[in-house]
Amino acid sequence: QVQLVQSGSELKKPGASVKLSCQASGSAFTNYTMNWVRQAPGQGLEWMGWINTNTGNPTFAQDFTGRFVFSLDTSAGAAYLQITSLKPEDTAVYYCAYRHNLKGVFWFDPWGQGTLVTVSS
Amino acid sequence: SYVLTQPPPVSVAPGKTARITCGGNNIGSKTVHWYQQKPGQAPVLVIYYDGDRPSGIPERFSGSNSGNTATLTISRVEAGDEADYYCQVWDSTSDHPIFGTGTKVTVL
Repeated sequence: QVQLVQSGSELKKPGASVKLSCQASGSAFTNYTMNWVRQAPGQGLEWMGWINTNTGNPTFAQDFTGRFVFSLDTSAGAAYLQITSLKPEDTAVYYCAYRHNLKGVFWFDPWGQGTLVTVSS
Repeated sequence: SYVLTQPPPVSVAPGKTARITCGGNNIGSKTVHWYQQKPGQAPVLVIYYDGDRPSGIPERFSGSNSGNTATLTISRVEAGDEADYYCQVWDSTSDHPIFGTGTKVTVL
């Protein structure tokens, strides 16, 4: 069974950086594209972008350019999300999720359990 | 960009049927997926490809999609079905996924 396990909660001050991890197991890591989704407190799901696990090429949603970095350690089966110059509005739960593709139709399964990032002085 | 609209919170008695809609312009021409998110937990896929159920999802969950509305139906609702439900499509214009606003289902 494919499983994604994310790193633990983080408390950071504004201006700091954070790097979150997403460890995959149960399937060949490069079988799926890795996606990142943000959920601010009390809000809905917001897609941040994805990284091609074969090439390492990232794609970002419009609102997530500049301070956000996707990376991989393919040999370890892990994906990473780094956020620099943190702002209080970055406070959210960040999820990783595999993207499935069937005839050009895409959906997300499974999801990691999420990592809460709190940005506060 | 493409917008998906979901209704306000829904309340349903145990054993009854809950229907959660997802509205979008000609959404019937797209393929819709549904996620269940219980409080404090990650989303879980409950319906993909409009009406298919992943392994482990009860038959009580079903989906349909036509015209401008997709619908997630939960039959014989149980207390454990209390959650937020999100619809999702893939916007081929932007090559990005679009999530609905989410609907909270409360079991009375």
